[in-house]
Amino acid sequence: RKEVEQDPGPFNVPEGATVAFNCTYSNSASQSFFWYRQDCRKEPKLLMSVYSSGNEDGRFTAQLNRASQYISLLIRDSKLSDSATYLCVVNPISGGYNKLIFGAGTRLAVHP
Amino acid sequence: DVKVTQSSRYLVKRTGEKVFLECVQDMDHENMFWYRQDPGLGLRLIYFSYDVKMKEKGDIPEGYSVSREKKERFSLILESASTNQTSMYLCASSFRYRVAYLRVVVNTGELFFGEGSRLTVL
Repeated sequence: RKEVEQDPGPFNVPEGATVAFNCTYSNSASQSFFWYRQDCRKEPKLLMSVYSSGNEDGRFTAQLNRASQYISLLIRDSKLSDSATYLCVVNPISGGYNKLIFGAGTRLAVHP
Repeated sequence: DVKVTQSSRYLVKRTGEKVFLECVQDMDHENMFWYRQDPGLGLRLIYFSYDVKMKEKGDIPEGYSVSREKKERFSLILESASTNQTSMYLCASSFRYRVAYLRVVVNTGELFFGEGSRLTVL
């Protein structure tokens, strides 16, 4: 079983739609969680961290469910510019050196 | 803005050749990383370094070595390139700070990536 699993998609949605991605992780002791965004042929960039209480940044909402070991990303009112691959990232240790584990990514395609 | 620069965007090498991939960051970050990214597998950590001359193996170090002689520079070396090392290679850096009164080191979760080096081994 992969340490971090994501549905690869693609998710094809019209502009204005709401779309949600889930990501599951296998290490119950994992400490911190992130969503990164990667545009086609570009490097990944941090989109948002995921906090235990859930957090929102504009149209994006991230949630963590420790009991079920998954995190989610909700995008409301999708824009064409949201088309990208979204990477779920888990840091399995606390305070130690970063050894982030990346999921393979979920591809989102927003069409007019 | 943080800038992570990788020396070559595209390389084509032959099996058995020695390959050097260079990475430089300009933000005085302590941590530096080398990943490879393959379709369906995501990013996999090859090596990372948390200080000058320090290195730690990641999940897939076989066939690779690294060098960190200066804080801003982290090099990935393929001693004898093989076709299964054809991939996109991504260098990244991140910031680490010490909370003195708690005596802990905190690693931020944000990695800053270079644009990548696409290596093809024939």
